[in-house]
Amino acid sequence: GQQVMQIPQYQHVQEGEDFTTYCNSSTTLSNIQWYKQRPGGHPVFLIQLVKSGEVKKQKRLTFQFGEAKKNSSLHITATQTTDVGTYFCAGPGTGGGADGLTFGKGTHLIIQP
Amino acid sequence: DVKVTQSSRYLVKRTGEKVFLECVQDMDHENMFWYRQDPGLGLRLIYFSYDVKMKEKGDIPEGYSVSREKKERFSLILESASTNQTSMYLCASSLLKGLAGTSSSYEQYFGPGTRLTVT
Repeated sequence: GQQVMQIPQYQHVQEGEDFTTYCNSSTTLSNIQWYKQRPGGHPVFLIQLVKSGEVKKQKRLTFQFGEAKKNSSLHITATQTTDVGTYFCAGPGTGGGADGLTFGKGTHLIIQP
Repeated sequence: DVKVTQSSRYLVKRTGEKVFLECVQDMDHENMFWYRQDPGLGLRLIYFSYDVKMKEKGDIPEGYSVSREKKERFSLILESASTNQTSMYLCASSLLKGLAGTSSSYEQYFGPGTRLTVT
């Protein structure tokens, strides 16, 4: 079945440094979603990318969808302590029918002040 | 404000007990999902439902069953709890995707989670 691989698993950065997490799929994705989970919290939807080569920005966050629609990235510029958490990518899944999602294992962002 | 609620934040059960985890959403969503989250494994789909009384297996359904008698409520049942079912359980809901060929999916709204410990 479809797999969504996400790297790195952990990323330690100094506050103010940039951060990037990468997501790769074994198959072409019709779309990809990104979620953020704060420590002790639940995943919260950030954004969805649909078009090949699409780039979307939310303040200091930049999301990209690859030309082949098999990979995606999330880049955070000048990290702040509020960015701490786990970032997940998710593609349409084969388990859970047409509406299910297959999640990557997530990247834990740890920020050292 | 949209809301997905789960019956308990923390639950401790003994091996062999029957366990019910309840989830309620107030957004009139057709889809509801149950995931478990374990360190290093991310979120894994257990079961989902796209309508009342309908259910579909996810990636790891073994040892679990579900019930959806009303649109707003989706229950996860552990018939005989085992220690390897100690985990964080997350419920989610979303609108029904519907149209064939549509590239977009709908975002999922998650509940706060239930941390289940089986001893």
